[in-house]
Amino acid sequence: DVKVTQSSRYLVKRTGEKVFLECVQDMDHENMFWYRQDPGLGLRLIYFSYDVKMKEKGDIPEGYSVSREKKERFSLILESASTNQTSMYLCASRDGAVGYTFGSGTRLTVV
Amino acid sequence: KNQVEQSPQSLIILEGKNCTLQCNYTVSPFSNLRWYKQDTGRGPVSLTIMTFSENTKSNGRYTATLDADTKQSSLHITASQLSDSASYICVVDNYGQNFVFGPGTRLSVLP
Repeated sequence: DVKVTQSSRYLVKRTGEKVFLECVQDMDHENMFWYRQDPGLGLRLIYFSYDVKMKEKGDIPEGYSVSREKKERFSLILESASTNQTSMYLCASRDGAVGYTFGSGTRLTVV
Repeated sequence: KNQVEQSPQSLIILEGKNCTLQCNYTVSPFSNLRWYKQDTGRGPVSLTIMTFSENTKSNGRYTATLDADTKQSSLHITASQLSDSASYICVVDNYGQNFVFGPGTRLSVLP
């Protein structure tokens, strides 16, 4: 069974902290994505990557960066966490035929 | 502008009843349409995928329909169960350029 694993289900961080959200997939997919999901707004794309060391900005990249050093791992970085980054973060990998496979999500609270 | 709209925004039904969720899209070009189910605090999980030539597809008690002419899809849930309580997200694929997500419909099934 294919899997996308996010390292933390719940996370509480202080304003100004640097935060790392980790995501690992075991499907050898080239495409990986980070979304945030907020009530009433649906999923919004933060960053995505089509290959190792490649990254592209999504719709809301401000305040975030990413790292893709290995094919299976895609990390989302909040350089200086702010309260408006409190959200549910979803990592996904994608195969053209199968579509998205999502991780279980990380509920981040910034206080 | 590529867009996916869903209605209703939320829905409450009694266990055992049927319901239908709607999805309208203005995505072009159109490759396929997918319905995802997202349990609270979890990542979305794929229910069905429909290509341009398919009108109906079933997955257990879930039946999806697609009218490519009117650019509408519906997800019908038969004999609802408490475990059907979730958000249902409609996603349209425009040949891998991007997947366009709808905002979701929040379904609550009450005993």
